[in-house]
Amino acid sequence: GAVVSQHPSRVICKSGTSVKIECRSLDFQATTMFWYRQFPKQSLMLMATSNEGSKATYEQGVEKDKFLINHASLTLSTLTVTSAHPEDSSFYICSASRGGRADTQYFGPGTRLTVL
Amino acid sequence: LAKTTQPVSMDSYEGQEVNITCSHNNIATNDYITWYQQFPSQGPRFIIQGYKTKVTNEVASLFIPADRKSSTLSLPRVSLSDTAVYYCLVGGMAAGNKLTFGGGTRVLVKP
Repeated sequence: GAVVSQHPSRVICKSGTSVKIECRSLDFQATTMFWYRQFPKQSLMLMATSNEGSKATYEQGVEKDKFLINHASLTLSTLTVTSAHPEDSSFYICSASRGGRADTQYFGPGTRLTVL
Repeated sequence: LAKTTQPVSMDSYEGQEVNITCSHNNIATNDYITWYQQFPSQGPRFIIQGYKTKVTNEVASLFIPADRKSSTLSLPRVSLSDTAVYYCLVGGMAAGNKLTFGGGTRVLVKP
C-alpha cells in the first residue's frame, strides 16, 4: 500500500504558458500533501503543504500566485505552474501522508518540467 | 525543525554492510526519524522509520541510541542496485509533519 502517482511524468512547454501537475494517492486517503522541487544534484526543497479543502501553506520565498496548489479531495492535489519561465525548469515531486502520529510521507515518482 | 547532518558520500562493495550515521542533536521529543532512498529522476522511496532503539524491516535496520541525537541506517549485503542517495529526516506532528531534507548521502556500490 501507500502508492502515490504523478501525471505527467515529463512535460515540455513554451515560456509563458501554464502547466498543471497532478498528484494522487492511489490506495489511501491523504490528509496532507506536499510539493517539493529538486534541481539537478541537489536536495529536495519543500515548496508548500496542503490539506484537503484548505488553502496551501507556502514556504518562504515560494510565490503562491505562481505556483497554484489545489487539494480538492483526500486523494488528489494539483500544482499549476503559471506563466512558466525557463528558470522554473526542475523536477517537481509530491508526497502524501495519511496523518496520525507517525505521519510517514510517501512520494510520487516526480514530474520533469522543461520550459523552453 | 531538527537539522540533520550526514556524510556527503560513501563507497562500498557488493555484499558488504553499509552503515550511514545521521546526527540530529536538537531532535524534539515527538520527532520520528525516517530514511528515504532516491534514485536519479525518481521520487524518494521510504525505507524505514523509528522513534527509539532498533527497528528492522525486510530491507534495512535503524539503530537509535537512548539520547536519540543520532541514528544509523544499516543496509545488509548491498548490491549494485543499492547505489543511490539516502536521506535522513527528522520530523513529526509538532512541525506540521514538515520534512526538511538535508544534503543526503550518496552511496556508490562497486562490483
